[in-house]
Amino acid sequence: GDSVTQMEGPVTLSEEAFLTINCTYTATGYPSLFWYVQYPGEGLQLLLKATKADDKGSNKGFEATYRKETTSFHLEKGSVQVSDSAVYFCALIMNTGNQFYFGTGTSLTVIP
Amino acid sequence: NAGVTQTPKFQVLKTGQSMTLQCAQDMNHEYMSWYRQDPGMGLRLIHYSVGAGITDQGEVPNGYNVSRSTTEDFPLRLLSAAPSQTSVYFCASSGLAGAVYEQYFGPGTRLTVT
Repeated sequence: GDSVTQMEGPVTLSEEAFLTINCTYTATGYPSLFWYVQYPGEGLQLLLKATKADDKGSNKGFEATYRKETTSFHLEKGSVQVSDSAVYFCALIMNTGNQFYFGTGTSLTVIP
Repeated sequence: NAGVTQTPKFQVLKTGQSMTLQCAQDMNHEYMSWYRQDPGMGLRLIHYSVGAGITDQGEVPNGYNVSRSTTEDFPLRLLSAAPSQTSVYFCASSGLAGAVYEQYFGPGTRLTVT
């Protein structure tokens, strides 16, 4: 079935460090891919998305590229801030469906 | 634009009690869903609805009921609460953004069953 696997956390980085959170997917067709962010005590918010192979989604300094050949959608940021501390979820939806599949989430803590 | 709203924010129940978690959206979305979030488990789908009058089970439906009488509202009922239902519950609605669905989440209800 369709699924998403993301790297286990927690991840702890110093401010201004480079961030990568790995995400790979399994899908029988053509999915759209998403990264959601959950700040402490809040619901999930859409961070970025990509709808087809080689698309790059970007927002707030975060980027992710849809790689069909490696079935991946890794999240990157060049210089993290304390305010980026949150849980990040990778997700997919099939382009012919309306059900989302989420990874288990990766907790990020950025220390000053 | 309120988006997805959930009430209450926090709730403590005793084992065996019943309650309803409320969820409403003002985006006219057909698709709504309920998830529970537990440490190390990510989000697990409880029930979902593709429109008024239509509901279906997700991954972990046992112990929960839903109904969808209007497009806006999608309440989740716990008929007889158990400690295993201690969790954070999120309601979400999905709508088309271009050709692809995007999902919007409520702020969550933190439920403790003692």
